Amino acid sequence: EVQLVQSGAEVKKPGESLKISCKGSGYSFTSYWIGWVRQMPGKGLEWMGIIYPGDSDTRYSPSFQGQVTISADKSISTAYLQWSSLKASDTAMYYCARSVRGVIIFDYWGQGTLVTVSS
Amino acid sequence: QSVLTQPPSVSAAPGQKVTISCSGSSSNIGNNYVSWYQQLPGTAPKLLIYDNNKRPSGIPDRFSGSKSGTSATLGITGLQTGDEADYYCGTWDSSLGVFGGGTKLTVL
Repeated sequence: EVQLVQSGAEVKKPGESLKISCKGSGYSFTSYWIGWVRQMPGKGLEWMGIIYPGDSDTRYSPSFQGQVTISADKSISTAYLQWSSLKASDTAMYYCARSVRGVIIFDYWGQGTLVTVSS
Repeated sequence: QSVLTQPPSVSAAPGQKVTISCSGSSSNIGNNYVSWYQQLPGTAPKLLIYDNNKRPSGIPDRFSGSKSGTSATLGITGLQTGDEADYYCGTWDSSLGVFGGGTKLTVL
């Protein structure tokens, strides 16, 4: 059974760093793109970026380029999303999702990680 | 503001049919496949339609998709109260993904 399990909710202060994770199981982790999607409170889905764990090819939406870093450790089938300096506007639910083909055919999703940034 | 435009809301009565539109341009919908996602309240999105009109295993045939030019449409027949959710279209644009702004479906 394909599963994506994300790390738990985080509460951080502005300026702090953070790395959240997404562990894949039940499939060949290196053969599918893993994307990250942001959903701010009460708002829609935003495609942030995507990584191909097989060769670490990574692409970012212009809106998120330079604001976050996407990485993956294929030895433990885990993808990451990290911030070096959080802002209050980073408060959102973050989902990882597996793309069955291309960059946005997301057939399996993680349960989401809620990130709250508040002083 | 998303590059894909969806109506903010649609509504219909149980048993009726509803369509949700997704309008883009030649750089996205016009030259790429469209996917549709359903997000029930408090849950992660779920893939409903991919490659414009294909349904993943387990998605009932009440859900259908189509594409014409730079627009795509999601159709839902035999509406049920359990279909109340937010619906998003998605495609790629210059090798990056983009979502529509989402449409809230109310089943009256």
